[in-house]
Amino acid sequence: RKEVEQDPGPFNVPEGATVAFNCTYSNSASQSFFWYRQDCRKEPKLLMSVYSSGNEDGRFTAQLNRASQYISLLIRDSKLSDSATYLCVAPQRGNNDMRFGAGTRLTVKP
Amino acid sequence: DAGVIQSPRHEVTEMGQEVTLRCKPISGHNSLFWYRQTMMRGLELLIYFNNNVPIDDSGMPEDRFSAKMPNASFSTLKIQPSEPRDSAVYFCASSQAQEKLFFGSGTQLSVL
Repeated sequence: RKEVEQDPGPFNVPEGATVAFNCTYSNSASQSFFWYRQDCRKEPKLLMSVYSSGNEDGRFTAQLNRASQYISLLIRDSKLSDSATYLCVAPQRGNNDMRFGAGTRLTVKP
Repeated sequence: DAGVIQSPRHEVTEMGQEVTLRCKPISGHNSLFWYRQTMMRGLELLIYFNNNVPIDDSGMPEDRFSAKMPNASFSTLKIQPSEPRDSAVYFCASSQAQEKLFFGSGTQLSVL
């Protein structure tokens, strides 16, 4: 089993829709979690950090479910500019093993 | 700060040639990561360093790949000899104490 698994999508949604992605992780020792956004032909950039139960930043909400070992990313009122690939990473506490999921491709259409 | 700086941005070479990719991490960051990204395999962790020491190189594909970090401000990833299947985007990233990663712009490598 891979350390981090994501549904690759693609997710095609209309503007204004709410969309959610999940990311499952295998290592129960993971303590911190991150969502990154990657635009086509660009480097990944940090979108949100998740250290406890969850985190909210405007239209974006990240939640952590330790019992089921997954993190989720919710995007409300999606914009055309949200179109990108969303990557999650769940490093194991005590080391720096920053292995990413395969990413979920989102396309927001007018 | 200028961020993580990688060079070259693009590299086109012929099979069998040696390729060296370079990375300057953000000043003060103590961890450095090399990743490779392809459509088929996604973003793969090749190797990472903590305080200039290689910690885990299990992601390095084979002996043709090697990475060094002679000091806190410089790292190289070398492929010798290169093969067409090495064609990919190679990213370098740095972080401070297991916190968020900052990526460089990547090197697009094409091996003909």
